Amino acid sequence: ETGVTQSPTHLIKTRGQQVTLRCSSQSGHNTVSWYQQALGQGPQFIFQYYREEENGRGNFPPRFSGLQFPNYSSELNVNALELDDSALYLCASSLDPSASYEQYFGPGTRLTVT
Amino acid sequence: QKEVEQNSGPLSVPEGAIASLNCTYSDRVSQSFFWYRQYSGKSPELIMSIYSNGDKEDGRFTAQLNKASQYVSLLIRDSQPSDSATYLCAVREDNAGNMLTFGGGTRLMVKP
Repeated sequence: ETGVTQSPTHLIKTRGQQVTLRCSSQSGHNTVSWYQQALGQGPQFIFQYYREEENGRGNFPPRFSGLQFPNYSSELNVNALELDDSALYLCASSLDPSASYEQYFGPGTRLTVT
Repeated sequence: QKEVEQNSGPLSVPEGAIASLNCTYSDRVSQSFFWYRQYSGKSPELIMSIYSNGDKEDGRFTAQLNKASQYVSLLIRDSQPSDSATYLCAVREDNAGNMLTFGGGTRLMVKP
């Protein structure tokens, strides 16, 4: 157990809808990164939040957005869902990016878009 | 664009043998390297990190890094059926925040 929690565990949405995924970081960690993992592939970096600011973004369109709250928990929002958004969404927490490189993953949210 | 390459497998080894998992990366700026284990239907679990050339041992696991050859490997000694999983290699470029770039993973099967 890493202490990183995510909700919900599973989610089924229809194409065009919007979804919000939630993540609580491990105690003491102020950095949250989000990854998308399609079936049979490695995780792909979506973005990272550090002290409530976006601290890097991967090659994902603007309909993927996020937030980080003062308690360092985070949300991932996806608008206008597409079938290809079906994936496991992983949240990872870590210490201050300048001090620690190890990221610990939560259990993930399995999103299915129909 | 940084690429991380792994043989998708499956790599099949008998119980008690040494499993050798390999990973190559394209970006010479990469400085930090990680191995994650992912059981089917679960999230990745960090098992090893390595930052300097050479070997790093932790229990039955040994990570090996050769930055000149852009190569990182993971050895699992005395492989057990419970080691059967997908092993993901991840690299981090020091001037790119804390972003990890993952390979596609190697599926390891340890047969009793």
